[in-house]
Formats: sequence, C-alpha cells, structure tokens
Amino acid sequence: KNEVEQSPQNLTAQEGEFITINCSYSVGISALHWLQQHPGGGIVSLFMLSSGKKKHGRLIATINIQEKHSSLHITASHPRDSAVYICAVLSYNTDKLIFGTGTRLQVFP
Amino acid sequence: KAGVTQTPRYLIKTRGQQVTLSCSPISGHRSVSWYQQTPGQGLQFLFEYFSETQRNKGNFPGRFSGRQFSNSRSEMNVSTLELGDSALYLCASSLGLSYYEQYFGPGTRLTVT
Repeated sequence: KNEVEQSPQNLTAQEGEFITINCSYSVGISALHWLQQHPGGGIVSLFMLSSGKKKHGRLIATINIQEKHSSLHITASHPRDSAVYICAVLSYNTDKLIFGTGTRLQVFP
Repeated sequence: KAGVTQTPRYLIKTRGQQVTLSCSPISGHRSVSWYQQTPGQGLQFLFEYFSETQRNKGNFPGRFSGRQFSNSRSEMNVSTLELGDSALYLCASSLGLSYYEQYFGPGTRLTVT
C-alpha cells in the first residue's frame, strides 16, 4: 500500500463546477504540499500546510492531522485548471518528501 | 527574481554512458533537492543539498550522485546509464531545509537508448 494515496485518479468536470481532490497518508508528517503539474512537466507549489486551512484565489486546501487526510478544493473551475494535482507529505521521521500518484483533472468549457 | 533553471532541458544518451545535469536555484536559496519522475514510479526523492552538504538521500543506487557548489548551484550525475533511468529529472530550491516551500525548475528530460 502506498504511503500517500490520492483520489480520484482522474477527474473530468464542466467549467464552473466545484472540484475536490483527496489525499490520505499513513506516515507521521511535518507538512503537506499540494503541487500542480501542467503538460510539459513544470511543477508549481500551490500550498504547504501543517494544520487547518489555506485559501488562495479559487483554491482551498484543508488538512486534518488526526485523520491523516487533506483535501484540495477548486471553486468555479476553469479549463486552465486542467493539470495533474499532486499531494506530497514531508515525513516527520525521514525529512523526505513522499509523493502521491497524482490526480489528472480535465475541465471542459 | 529569476526562477529555478535546469540545463539541459532534453538529453539523449546511450546505455552505459554517464550524464551530468545542472540546476541553478533562485537567488538567495540555499537548499536544492532533486527528484526523478517516471510514468511507472511517479515522483521520487533523490537527494537534498544545503550549504554544499548532502543532507538527505532517497533510495537510489550509488550510480546517482550529486553535489552543490558554494553559489548553491547543484549538479547531479548518473553513471553507467540504464534504460530505466529514462525520466524527467526535476530540481527544486528553497530558502532552507525540508519545511520551506519548494520552487521547481522546468526539468531535464533524459532518454536512455
């Protein structure tokens, strides 16, 4: 079993829809990252959080440390949000980033 | 500020050869981490350097090595290339170790034939 699991693996949405991507992990963590990867490979860090909730524009990230679960929400989705979203946790024991396999999101106009 | 740059962007090598990839971090960033991304294994941590010292290493064979220079620029080297080393190699820089936000470069796509 992977230490970081994401769901769903693939997601298709219509423009304007509310989107949720989930991340569950099984290790103790110091922090959790949400990353966005567009075709071509470039990765952008969206959020880094260790508790509570963060908001940036239409994106919201939450984390529940007790339940070892995080969610990334996109409100009013847009075709430019189409990308792979990757959850990564910083292991408390090893100080290494462990990555989920990613969620491929496609938003259609 | 200029972002993280990686050179070369694309590389084709033959099995058995060696390769050196370069990463220039954002000015002022002292930590550089390297990652390998393949379709089968996804993203995996290779190593992390801070102030010219390797601070952490992933589960990769000794053929994978790296170093960091006094200006924080970093190189990674893969010797005796194997077909399975074909991947996108990403570096990321940050102000400090581990807990700081990471800024990724565009990656070097290595193809081993």
